[in-house]
Amino acid sequence: DIQMTQSPASLSASLGETVTIECLASEDIYSNLAWYQQKPGKSPQLLIYYANSLNDGVPSRFSGSGSGTQYSLKINSLQSEDVSIYFCQQNYDSPYTFGAGTKLELK
Amino acid sequence: EVQLVESGGGLVQPGRSMKLSCAASGFTFNNYDMAWVCQAPKKGLEWVATISYDGSSTYYRDSVKGRFTISRDNAKSTLYLQMDSLRSEDTATYYCARHYRSGDFFFDYWGQGVMVTVSS
Repeated sequence: DIQMTQSPASLSASLGETVTIECLASEDIYSNLAWYQQKPGKSPQLLIYYANSLNDGVPSRFSGSGSGTQYSLKINSLQSEDVSIYFCQQNYDSPYTFGAGTKLELK
Repeated sequence: EVQLVESGGGLVQPGRSMKLSCAASGFTFNNYDMAWVCQAPKKGLEWVATISYDGSSTYYRDSVKGRFTISRDNAKSTLYLQMDSLRSEDTATYYCARHYRSGDFFFDYWGQGVMVTVSS
């Protein structure tokens, strides 16, 4: 199975700050990488797919980048509604595995 | 508006069965592959199974192969997950999710989830 390692596990940032979450795959996943946001008590929402494509309706302050085994999610100008857990997921090979999540809180 | 509404969860004893349903609306159900994804309490997400738009192909993670069966009724716009020989480690919230498009194993819409607790 492809292991997805996210860092950091938790993150505290101030409003307006820029934050970056990393995701490392155990093998090359050829940009088959998605990012999800899960707000407390809610189901996940797709943010980014194919490593850098923004899903419809997602604010432009979210962006994704990376290739090979290393990927990142960047949130510019952090807003209060961005407090969530963020997951990466590889959709290159079965089983389609997720990272353990990064919990983003406000400082 | 796309809606996915799961039902059928609850408490079940180890070794018993349970069937989950997911009623879809707001899109052409028979155009999309569908999946079940689970999340154990305070844990991460785990893809469970996928069924193709026409039901002709199914895919499972190894830990549920032979125990779980994903199916769909396109006439009723409903997705199912039959779970047999349940184990304590199957305890999780189960989400119904729509594949972004056929062949892409990421998910653009999710239901609200249904809790399954396997315990004696």
